[in-house]
Amino acid sequence: NAGVTQTPKFQVLKTGQSMTLQCAQDMNHEYMSWYRQDPGMGLRLIHYSVGAGITDQGEVPNGYNVSRSTTEDFPLRLLSAAPSQTSVYFCASSYSGGTLTGELFFGEGSRLTVL
Amino acid sequence: GENVEQHPSTLSVQEGDSAVIKCTYSDSASNYFPWYKQELGKRPQLIIDIRSNVGEKKDQRIAVTLNKTAKHFSLHITETQPEDSAVYFCAASGGYSTLTFGKGTMLLVSP
Repeated sequence: NAGVTQTPKFQVLKTGQSMTLQCAQDMNHEYMSWYRQDPGMGLRLIHYSVGAGITDQGEVPNGYNVSRSTTEDFPLRLLSAAPSQTSVYFCASSYSGGTLTGELFFGEGSRLTVL
Repeated sequence: GENVEQHPSTLSVQEGDSAVIKCTYSDSASNYFPWYKQELGKRPQLIIDIRSNVGEKKDQRIAVTLNKTAKHFSLHITETQPEDSAVYFCAASGGYSTLTFGKGTMLLVSP
């Protein structure tokens, strides 16, 4: 198993550009999520999905869109990049037995710089 | 929503000493409390977790304690080693795998 795979690992954007961070998992996990990590701020939840066709907002959703058309994939779209979106982004997945929370498996991270 | 506070933000110890990191949470409905370790430039990885029906859990040199009444939980690392140096995150969840993380503790273990 490859686990959780994120691409790209590094990206530089100009303000106003759009891009998609890709995330795929091969563990048949129902739950997938995106976090951003900023110095001194910990990991903050952007969006999450409890299954194909279902998405919901986390703590910091503004400026980001997600979709979940398959169990395996959960892309994160930046519609119009801003310098405040400079961050390291982590995709994570988990087996979620309904209300029971399981271990989160993280991807390697994507470092995004917006100029 | 849930709010998780983590202290201290940095912790320096000598090799062989014990280290304790403390977290508090706000939502009494939270029932799952994991700890993640993140080495420099790496992804966070689960090191230990505890559910609300348990007060303490140990795994070799690592232990976690939970006080539901006070809404706080702690990570204890004994006999620290240089390879324990990393950032540690606590988190809390009320279900469906949605975790709220603390801001992290940088642990530095000096030889």
